[in-house]
This record gives sequence, structure tokens and C-alpha cells, in this order.
Amino acid sequence: QKEVEQNSGPLSVPEGAIASLNCTYSDRGSQSFFWYRQYSGKSPELIMSIYSNGDKEDGRFTAQLNKASQYVSLLIRDSQPSDSATYLCAVGSTSYDKVIFGPGTSLSVIP
Amino acid sequence: NAGVMQNPRHLVRRRGQEARLRCSPMKGHSHVYWYRQLPEEGLKFMVYLQKENIIDESGMPKERFSAEFPKEGPSILRIQQVVRGDSAAYFCASSPLRGPTEAFFGQGTRLTVV
Repeated sequence: QKEVEQNSGPLSVPEGAIASLNCTYSDRGSQSFFWYRQYSGKSPELIMSIYSNGDKEDGRFTAQLNKASQYVSLLIRDSQPSDSATYLCAVGSTSYDKVIFGPGTSLSVIP
Repeated sequence: NAGVMQNPRHLVRRRGQEARLRCSPMKGHSHVYWYRQLPEEGLKFMVYLQKENIIDESGMPKERFSAEFPKEGPSILRIQQVVRGDSAAYFCASSPLRGPTEAFFGQGTRLTVV
């Protein structure tokens, strides 16, 4: 079982719609969770971090965490073409102090 | 207010040569992570360093790869006797706290082995 799993996509949504990105992880003791955005040929950019169960909102982005289900998601409201990128879910490891990345979900927002 | 600085941005090496990748963390950050990204793949953890210490090198290949973060100067990822399979983007990230925590990435070094 991979440590962090994401649907590879591509996920296509029309402009203005809500994009929903999902992530599951295997380390039941993980306490820190991150979403990064990576444009093609660029470096990952931190969008949000979440540490507690529930929702965390920042502008058009909402991260949702359910530790019991070992599930974390990212919702993007009012999706824009500029949101088209690969979204990386990252989970803090309890074995060491490192962060493990999922394979990423490619999002395409269609004008 | 410089972010994480990596150099060179692009590096071409012939098989058998050595590659040295440099990373200067953000000001005030003393924790550095190195990741490798192959085309169309995710980020693979390689090594986590704090000043003068290797904290976790569980992702580093056992041979040819080494990393350091000296008291003064940038962190260095060194690849000896490069092979074509080493061609990838190598990213460095830094954080102010011991992990796992938010980390900020540099622009990466694209290594091409010919």
C-alpha cells in the first residue's frame, strides 16, 4: 500500500465550478497535512496546511480532514483557468520528521 | 526577501561525471529537505538535514549519492558517477522548524545526463 494516494486525473471542470481533489494516507498517526500546487515545469507552491479534523478555509480553497477515515481533500470554489495545475497532497510522517508526497492530481479548468 | 535559492537551474553532465546541486534555504530556516521528481511522477523524499546533521537519509540511494549542510554555506546534494537514470528535477525545500511542517521549495535543478 502506498503511503499517500491520489487520483492521478486528469480532472476536468468547467470554469466557475467546484473542483474536488481527494487524498488518502496509510499512516494512522499522521498529524500534519499539506496541499501544494505545481504548475508544469515549476516548483511546488504551498497552498494550505491542516492539522485538525474538520474544514479550513482560505479564500477559494477549503481543506477538509478526517483522521478517522485517513482522508484529506481540497475544494476549489469558482475554479479559474489559472487553477489548472497538478495538486500534490503531502502528509507528515510519524516515523521520521519528513513529509511524504502523493503522486498528484492533474486539474484542468476549461474556460 | 529571498526565497529558497537553488543553483544551477539546469545542469548537463556526461555519464560518469559528478553533479553538485546547491541549495540556500530561506533566511532563518535551518532545516532542508531534498526531493527528486522524475517526469510525470510525484516528489520522492531523499534526505532531511539540519545544520551539520543528517536527520533522515532513508530516501537516498545507497551508492553515489550524498548530502551535506555545513555550518556555513549552502546545502549540497552530490551525485557521483552519474547515469542516465539520474536525470530528473531535484528540489530543495526549507523550513524554520523541525518537521514535519510547512516547507517552501526552491525552483529546482533540472539535471540531464547525456
